[in-house]
Amino acid sequence: DSGVTQTPKHLITATGQRVTLRCSPRSGDLSVYWYQQSLDQGLQFLIQYYNGEERAKGNILERFSAQQFPDLHSELNLSSLELGDSALYFCASSVTAGRNTEAFFGQGTRLTVV
Amino acid sequence: AQKVTQAQTEISVVEKEDVTLDCVYETRDTTYYLFWYKQPPSGELVFLIRRNSFDEQNEISGRYSWNFQKSTSSFNFTITASQVVDSAVYFCALGSNNAGNMLTFGGGTRLMVKP
Repeated sequence: DSGVTQTPKHLITATGQRVTLRCSPRSGDLSVYWYQQSLDQGLQFLIQYYNGEERAKGNILERFSAQQFPDLHSELNLSSLELGDSALYFCASSVTAGRNTEAFFGQGTRLTVV
Repeated sequence: AQKVTQAQTEISVVEKEDVTLDCVYETRDTTYYLFWYKQPPSGELVFLIRRNSFDEQNEISGRYSWNFQKSTSSFNFTITASQVVDSAVYFCALGSNNAGNMLTFGGGTRLMVKP
């Protein structure tokens, strides 16, 4: 158990809908990352937050947004869902935002868009 | 831009065989970090190792060993005396000092260990 908690584990929704994925980082970790794992794109970095502020952005669609709350949990919001958004979404956390720290991953949320 | 290549998409071995998973990376950074993660069939990503670019010492942890060679930009992973429980997808990843601590992942190598 990595200590990173993601809910829900599975989510099935229809195209055009909006969903929210939730992540609780390991105790003491200030940085949260979101990654998407899909069959065609592999594992891709979406966005990073550090202590409530956006720190880095990857290939995140405009339909997707995230935030980190004062208690350090994070939410990833996916809207106007398309079939191609079906993927495994991982949250990871680390102590700091920078070098020399490994990120520990949650078990992921498997999103299926039908 | 950073890039990680895992040329072996799938490897099949028989239990007790040794197996090496290859990882080649590209980066312009002088300081960077290399990682290996394991993704078993249950789906979670399990951290295995982190290596800093300025530390080229090889590392051994039980049946696992890692060979880091800056000259060839490679960070290979060897499992000695493989076991069925080693069956998983293994990802090599590259981290940078720039833009936080985001990781660039390779495409992964699916390892199947048959009894």
